[in-house]
Amino acid sequence: GAGVSQSPSNKVTEKGKDVELRCDPISGHTALYWYRQSLGQGLEFLIYFQGNSAPDKSGLPSDRFSAERTGGSVSTLTIQRTQQEDSAVYLCASSLGQGTGNTIYFGEGSWLTVV
Amino acid sequence: AQSVAQPEDQVNVAEGNPLTVKCTYSVSGNPYLFWYVQYPNRGLQFLLKYITGDNLVKGSYGFEAEFNKSQTSFHLKKPSALVSDSALYFCAVSSQTGANNLFFGTGTRLTVIP
Repeated sequence: GAGVSQSPSNKVTEKGKDVELRCDPISGHTALYWYRQSLGQGLEFLIYFQGNSAPDKSGLPSDRFSAERTGGSVSTLTIQRTQQEDSAVYLCASSLGQGTGNTIYFGEGSWLTVV
Repeated sequence: AQSVAQPEDQVNVAEGNPLTVKCTYSVSGNPYLFWYVQYPNRGLQFLLKYITGDNLVKGSYGFEAEFNKSQTSFHLKKPSALVSDSALYFCAVSSQTGANNLFFGTGTRLTVIP
């Protein structure tokens, strides 16, 4: 596609429920990233996928968070047993290859509110 | 370990005046440096990046940034601010020899006053 596509754009869920957030990267981009942006905060790295390599999960805040990337394209970020502190914007991004100079392009984000 | 500092949470500038948004970084080895802009309720948009070569980098919407290795800085500048430049600006760094992800600063909110 023309850009990184994320869905849903907005999600309100009850505390304790599971949520899934979807990301469709730019066509041809082999690197995919998830970041979290809490209100008034900077961007917090969550997880990084590159091709068929094992993902870098070093940023996931707890074992309630997981992500997968099927077929090297679409990715799903899953948050189990959501808590109010999970409320944030979840940003997906993609880039060409694994060179660290490659520009990372962001989607519009999935706004999650846990009530 | 990589880190980015944006020392100003808020920058106000009059329309037509030059603007500067500051960024300093810490990284192992040589850096790749980026600026992104975020408009309200939107994702991040890429403005410009420094990879190698000329220390002055020109980007979108008339913005530019200067890489200063000795001061480990990468300040964002524009000669004449527009009201439409009002947004949240993020500086980011990655290492040429390190991990593939970007480390972001906490952002600077720029307000251009008409």
